[in-house]
Amino acid sequence: IAGITQAPTSQILAAGRRMTLRCTQDMRHNAMYWYRQDLGLGLRLIHYSNTAGTTGKGEVPDGYSVSRANTDDFPLTLASAVPSQTSVYFCASSEGNTDTQYFGPGTRLTVL
Amino acid sequence: GQNIDQPTEMTATEGAIVQINCTYQTSGFNGLFWYQQHAGEAPTFLSYNVLDGLEEKGRFSSFLSRSKGYSYLLLKELQMKDSASYLCAVMDSNYQLIWGAGTKLIIKP
Repeated sequence: IAGITQAPTSQILAAGRRMTLRCTQDMRHNAMYWYRQDLGLGLRLIHYSNTAGTTGKGEVPDGYSVSRANTDDFPLTLASAVPSQTSVYFCASSEGNTDTQYFGPGTRLTVL
Repeated sequence: GQNIDQPTEMTATEGAIVQINCTYQTSGFNGLFWYQQHAGEAPTFLSYNVLDGLEEKGRFSSFLSRSKGYSYLLLKELQMKDSASYLCAVMDSNYQLIWGAGTKLIIKP
């Protein structure tokens, strides 16, 4: 692994289903982030974690949850997917919470 | 509220110079970032400014004026591979990045 990986690459999901997007980094970065990117809008922060064991809410956290059990992994869970959660989801990491963020390749999620 | 403004789309010619502007109004300022994003790919880091002035990095330069809430990204000697979206982001007082919607740059031969 080099950098940040995300899985799956893309997914089509029925509304009401539960889904976990995976994110793993091998840079030993302390901080990790989940963003969503929608056409015509800037990236919006969903949740973040400044260090393993801690998480925080971003601009658009409703309908999403995260956990940070260790330094490398930061999964994002949609408990009951809705069509408005159709988006491209990017995971990012940075050495500290004031440092440059580096992005994973993204997950394209469609909720029908 | 917090706001980052940048043009939606710009067109330029291969070999020319283009300047992409970004204005911001945020609660606090802890630096301004520029990222490049090719279609269907992840954003990649280009530059960071926290003090006023110009930062040069090869064909790309970034300028910041904190008093005016203004930055620009200057791309010289444009190449076809520079066709991409360019994202401006400001780190606010909570150390969270506030993102503009991005400027789609189209390069014509």
